[in-house]
Amino acid sequence: GQSLEQPSEVTAVEGAIVQINCTYQTSGFYGLSWYQQHDGGAPTFLSYNALDGLEETGRFSSFLSRSDSYGYLLLQELQMKDSASYFCAVRDSNYQLIWGAGTKLIIKP
Amino acid sequence: DTAVSQTPKYLVTQMGNDKSIKCEQNLGHDTMYWYKQDSKKFLKIMFSYNNKELIINETVPNRFSPKSPDKAHLNLHINSLELGDSAVYFCASSQDQQGWEQYFGPGTRLTVT
Repeated sequence: GQSLEQPSEVTAVEGAIVQINCTYQTSGFYGLSWYQQHDGGAPTFLSYNALDGLEETGRFSSFLSRSDSYGYLLLQELQMKDSASYFCAVRDSNYQLIWGAGTKLIIKP
Repeated sequence: DTAVSQTPKYLVTQMGNDKSIKCEQNLGHDTMYWYKQDSKKFLKIMFSYNNKELIINETVPNRFSPKSPDKAHLNLHINSLELGDSAVYFCASSQDQQGWEQYFGPGTRLTVT
C-alpha cells in the first residue's frame, strides 16, 4: 500500500529551529510537497522537491532524499504564527497526491 | 479577489437529507479537486476533475456525486446524509494534473445530526 509517515506532534520554542520529517512508501514518485494549515483554515502550499537536495524559501527549507524515501521541512527563527499543522504529500505514478496525516507544530514562548 | 471559493461555509443538516456544496475558482486552472478532512485532520482526496472530466474517483460511497458544469466550477452533491459524513470538505484547484501547487478553498464544515 501507499503510505506517508510524519510525527503527529512537534513542540519547539519561539526563535528556535525545528525539523519535521516525512518518510514515504508509494507506487512511483514524482516529488514531495509541503502544506501548512492553521486551525480553522485551509491548507496552503509551502514547497515542492522533485530532485534530491535542499530548497530554501525564506525561513522555510525543504529537503528530499529519494534513495532514502525521506524528506523534511525545516523551519527557522520560529514565530508564534508558525503554530499550525504541516502536511507532506507525495505525487505517485498516477500523478495523484498522497497525503500524510499531518504534524501539529506547537510553539512555546 | 478570492481564488477558490466555496459555499456554504457551514452546513448543519439531519441524517437522510440531501445537500450540495458549490465551488468556483477564478484562477483559470484546468484541474479541480474535492477533499474530505475528518476530525483527526486526515486529508482524503475524493474526486479530481480535469477540464470537466473525471480523472480520479476514490473509493467513496456513490451517495457522493460531483458535477462540473464548466472548468471553473466543481460542485458536490451528497444524498442520504449519514453521521459519518460530518467533516470539513475542501475544494481545490491546480494549473493542471501535474501542477504542484494546489489552491484550496476555505472549506465547508458539514455537521450531520
